[in-house]
Amino acid sequence: AQSVTQPDIHITVSEGASLELRCNYSYGATPYLFWYVQSPGQGLQLLLKYFSGDTLVQGIKGFEAEFKRSQSSFNLRKPSVHWSDAAEYFCAVGGQAGTALIFGKGTTLSVSS
Amino acid sequence: GAGVSQSPSNKVTEKGKDVELRCDPISGHTALYWYRQSLGQGLEFLIYFQGNSAPDKSGLPSDRFSAERTGGSVSTLTIQRTQQEDSAVYLCASSGSSSGNTIYFGEGSWLTVV
Repeated sequence: AQSVTQPDIHITVSEGASLELRCNYSYGATPYLFWYVQSPGQGLQLLLKYFSGDTLVQGIKGFEAEFKRSQSSFNLRKPSVHWSDAAEYFCAVGGQAGTALIFGKGTTLSVSS
Repeated sequence: GAGVSQSPSNKVTEKGKDVELRCDPISGHTALYWYRQSLGQGLEFLIYFQGNSAPDKSGLPSDRFSAERTGGSVSTLTIQRTQQEDSAVYLCASSGSSSGNTIYFGEGSWLTVV
């Protein structure tokens, strides 16, 4: 079955600390992987995507993610979190370009001062 | 347009009424998607349109839900005889070769059934 698991429902980190949000997927074909962020009352904004090539991808707002095929993972990282990063983060997987994405249930990030 | 546009942004309706939600995708995008986001449930795929192909309706939760896409552009999601469990945010998204086939989302239509 095709699925995305985000094991952490809620994470709190201190401002300035590093962040890693976990994402594991199950997909029967070559995966296209995405991370989206959603602020309260807002739509989803694309942070970064992996289609092929270099397994470490850089995104907006200082985020990066690493694709590890052997672990079926696509974890999101940021070296230093800012209070404005508090939001909900969704990992998603899809197949060939243009197919519908399967989303995880999201991880809510809180940032403490 | 510059982004995916959805209307209405908020809708409160009485149980049993029909509602229509509209999505205007990014200009030139051939693919259009509807998702539903309920509290604590993540995003649930509803339906997918790609060009002139038959839509993928595999995610529609019941026959009360339907969607159409006219002229390969604007789409309308219709929910008939609304129930309280239909209360959610309905998100529309689009993609196309002009965006590297990356899916971009609108800000959603918040539906409350009372």
